Amino acid sequence: QLQLQESGPGLVKPSETLSLTCTVSGGSMSSGTYHWGWIRQSPGKGPEWIGTISNSGSTYYNPSLQSRVTVSIDPSKNQFSLRLSSVTAADTAVYFCARPTGPHPALFGNWGQGTLVTVSS
Amino acid sequence: EIVLTQSPGTLSLSPGERATLSCRASQTVTSSYLAWYQQKPGQAPRLLIYGISNRATGIPDRFSGSGSGTDFTLTINRLEPEDFAVYYCQQYADSWTFGQGTKVEIK
Repeated sequence: QLQLQESGPGLVKPSETLSLTCTVSGGSMSSGTYHWGWIRQSPGKGPEWIGTISNSGSTYYNPSLQSRVTVSIDPSKNQFSLRLSSVTAADTAVYFCARPTGPHPALFGNWGQGTLVTVSS
Repeated sequence: EIVLTQSPGTLSLSPGERATLSCRASQTVTSSYLAWYQQKPGQAPRLLIYGISNRATGIPDRFSGSGSGTDFTLTINRLEPEDFAVYYCQQYADSWTFGQGTKVEIK
């Protein structure tokens, strides 16, 4: 099983851009046909899917966040990244990177531990 | 967007009892694209069930899923101590959304 680890600033100012990176270890991102996703969870709430990217670079975004989200991939570094622009306090959440393991790209069976991002001045 | 509403919010049960969790969708979930996850405090969600009733790899058979259309159920037979957690349903038929969760707590 691949291991995933999120990294990035834990504090972001309102109106700025949140940037996180997920580093994959225990194997190559380029081996096989994979998708890679970002999910967030605000305190006391259910998870919210943010976006997904495939090894070929195809992206799928949550329509409610699409105008502010960019997911990119760098297989040579075994990393994929999230950028969320114009953040507000409502974007405060634990952000997870994850890999689907089921028969559909939405079925996330392999997760990072998550990283808390707080939006505050 | 398909909104998923889970009930009850909290279920208080004893080990060995059966848990029945409900997930209702605001519109029909097509292609059986309904999954369930378990989450314990401080951990990431864990995929339990996909396609309404298929257990993910390594999930014990005391977990089962059922339902169709807009109404779905997760049943946990003979609750074990490690089953006390929060459970989320997810639909992946129209974008991908999660419910707000049901907490299964020890009575």
